[in-house]
Amino acid sequence: ETGVTQSPTHLIKTRGQQVTLRCSSQSGHNTVSWYQQALGQGPQFIFQYYREEENGRGNFPPRFSGLQFPNYSSELNVNALELDDSALYLCASSPLAGGPGELFFGEGSRLTVL
Amino acid sequence: AQRVTQPEKLLSVFKGAPVELKCNYSYSGSPELFWYVQYSRQRLQLLLRHISRESIKGFTADLNKGETSFHLKKPFAQEEDSAMYYCALRSGGGGTSYGKLTFGQGTILTVHP
Repeated sequence: ETGVTQSPTHLIKTRGQQVTLRCSSQSGHNTVSWYQQALGQGPQFIFQYYREEENGRGNFPPRFSGLQFPNYSSELNVNALELDDSALYLCASSPLAGGPGELFFGEGSRLTVL
Repeated sequence: AQRVTQPEKLLSVFKGAPVELKCNYSYSGSPELFWYVQYSRQRLQLLLRHISRESIKGFTADLNKGETSFHLKKPFAQEEDSAMYYCALRSGGGGTSYGKLTFGQGTILTVHP
């Protein structure tokens, strides 16, 4: 069974640029959620995808967007990067929506915005 | 709005001592509470959830709705328990809230030999 994988693991961007982060769900999982974790903070929910549609969103501006593909992999896109976007971005997958509530996390993509 | 508070950023105990990691929440409905753990160089993973009323690695947590708390306890700490612990809340009802967890800031537990 393959766990959640994320790429890239680290990247550096400059203010105003755009970034795409990728996530492959754990086998058999059809729900993907994305979290932002700033240094010293707990993960903060960005949004989740189910059946290729955004299905719940946290308090993040529209420049944070995402996609989910038929194979349940997902992308997180952030436009017009700001310094405060520097963080660890975590992807989590879970089996059928409405289940027992366990999320399976990837190791994250660490984004630095200069 | 829902919120999770972990008042202790750092907690140190000696091996064999009891440990309690505090978690308080604010939520107007029926929440689901979880403890997640991150060991050194490992990914974030579920430790236990209140709905299962289970003991995992000797840890237990009881949901106290009157005090809006979900403290994590272990009677005898082990060195391998050293890790970052996050308390998390999910609004009940599944559906659009399924993948949405509200996390606390985390508590770093260090168990000394």
